[in-house]
Amino acid sequence: DSGVTQTPKHLITATGQRVTLRCSPRSGDLSVYWYQQSLDQGLQFLIQYYNGEERAKGNILERFSAQQFPDLHSELNLSSLELGDSALYFCASSATGRGETQYFGPGTRLLVL
Amino acid sequence: DAKTTQPPSMDCAEGRAANLPCNHSTISGNEYVYWYRQIHSQGPQYIIHGLKNNETNEMASLIITEDRKSSTLILPHATLRDTAVYYCIVRAYTDAGNNRKLIWGLGTSLAVNP
Repeated sequence: DSGVTQTPKHLITATGQRVTLRCSPRSGDLSVYWYQQSLDQGLQFLIQYYNGEERAKGNILERFSAQQFPDLHSELNLSSLELGDSALYFCASSATGRGETQYFGPGTRLLVL
Repeated sequence: DAKTTQPPSMDCAEGRAANLPCNHSTISGNEYVYWYRQIHSQGPQYIIHGLKNNETNEMASLIITEDRKSSTLILPHATLRDTAVYYCIVRAYTDAGNNRKLIWGLGTSLAVNP
């Protein structure tokens, strides 16, 4: 158990819909990262937050957005969903976001029908 | 693009050592080598990391060559529960300068056989 929690574990929705994925970092960690893993693919970095502020952006679509709240939990919002958005979404956290080890949550499996 | 090269798959007998190689010939002097594993679509699990010296923890050992262009992860006594995809990652910088992200390749699928 890494100490990072993600909800929900599974999500099934239809094309065009909007969903919100939630992540709680390890106690004391200030930085949160979001990754997407499509079928048989490596993890793709989406976005990083540090203490409520966006720190780095990766291959995140404009239909996707994220935020980190004062209590440090983070939400990833996916809108206008397409079939190709079906994937595993992982959240990771680290102490400061300055390059130390990232610890991953169990992921949310999103299926868009 | 990933900065590492790993064999796509390997087999290992249960109880034997599993040696997983990784090539990172373009690594920079201040970049670390990280190893994670992912068991059947679960969240990636941190294993070990190192800069230039060999490292050991309760899970594995990491051997980094002197020129730092390659490394080997060693699981000393592999068990069936070690069957997973193992990722070797060089920690990179994002376009934002000081910020860092992990760039993932496809890893090595290790099968530990009874």
